[in-house]
Order: sequence, then C-alpha cells, then structure tokens
Amino acid sequence: DAGVTQSPTHLIKTRGQHVTLRCSPISGHKSVSWYQQVLGQGPQFIFQYYEKEERGRGNFPDRFSARQFPNYSSELNVNALLLGDSALYLCASSAVQGKDGYTFGSGTRLTVV
Amino acid sequence: QQQVKQSPQSLIVQKGGISIINCAYENTAFDYFPWYQQFPGKGPALLIAIRPDVSEKKEGRFTISFNKSAKQFSLHIMDSQPGDSATYFCAAANSGGYQKVTFGIGTKLQVIP
Repeated sequence: DAGVTQSPTHLIKTRGQHVTLRCSPISGHKSVSWYQQVLGQGPQFIFQYYEKEERGRGNFPDRFSARQFPNYSSELNVNALLLGDSALYLCASSAVQGKDGYTFGSGTRLTVV
Repeated sequence: QQQVKQSPQSLIVQKGGISIINCAYENTAFDYFPWYQQFPGKGPALLIAIRPDVSEKKEGRFTISFNKSAKQFSLHIMDSQPGDSATYFCAAANSGGYQKVTFGIGTKLQVIP
C-alpha cells in the first residue's frame, strides 16, 4: 500500500527560476497539505487543499501557489525563486479535512543556487 | 512568533535511559497535540498524539504527559535505544476547520550505547 509519494526527490534551481513539486496522497485521502522545512527547523505550513479547494494558507508570499486535481494529487508552484526558498518541501495527506493523523511524504529537497 | 516552544534542541541519552522532551504552547484553541519522529532524509512520522481531555497517554515505550492549565506537554521515551536516535517534533493543531499543524523547533536525540 503506497504512502504519500512526492516527486522529484531532489532538485537544483537557479535564482529567479520557477519550480513545480508534485504530490500523490494515500489512496482515498482527499486532503493534501504542503509544508516547508528549512534545515534545523520544524516544518512550516504553506497550504491545505481539500476536495480540490484551498482551505488554508500559511504566511508565505504570493510567489507560492498550489492546486489539487480531481484525483486528489497536488502541485506546489514557486515562482521567482530566492536562495531562501532552499528547503525540504513536505506533502502530507489525510482522509478527512479537520481530522488528525496526517501522513507525510519523504519530501522534495530544493536547492536554489 | 513561535507558538509551540520546544526544549531542549539536542539531547544525548545513554542506552536504557529516559529521554524527556518538553513543549509549551500559547494558543488555547489548540486541541490536538501530536509528536513526530523524523529520520534523516525522511518526512516526519506520527509517533503518538494526545487531546487535552486526558493528562497522559502511553504507547509502548512512549508516553505523553499533558498539563492543560500550564499549557505544557512532554514526551518521555523509556528504555531509550540507539534506534530511537532521530529528531523529534512536538506539534499542535486546532482540529476545527482545516487542520494547520504548528511544529516546534525539534529536538535532536542521540542515544549512545
């Protein structure tokens, strides 16, 4: 039984470029959340999507956007990359919005040079 | 603004000893308090969680103690093993509406033989 899968696992981008990160939730999970984890820190909430609608947004600039598809997979997009965007980007899924028990993927390690 | 404060940031414990990690929160709307374990290169994995209507929850060698009036909670790892060496995050969430999880800064635990 597959867990939360994220792609790619590692990525190197140049400042100013755009990046798209992808997430496939656990089968049957309709809620997907995105978190940014900077080295040495706890994950920080970016977005939550449930039933293809944005349900929550963290304190991140408009350069960050996301969407959820009819199959509940999700994309996180970051425009105009900055060096400070270098981090591990985590996707988490849960069965029902507002319920506990998130399952995290292994993340995408983004390095901006 | 750190809504969940976690200490210590690093901890070294001998095999067989007790590891104790402490957390404090500010937002009284939080009603779900999970602990996550993260190994290098992996996403956080839910270890154990508690709701404020109980003061203690035990699962195997892991125990959460919760003090609602003091807005503090802690993780105790009994009979610590080298395989427990990881980074531990306390977290808090408000399960009403969408569930944004707020993480502490993390505690890097090293269990030495």
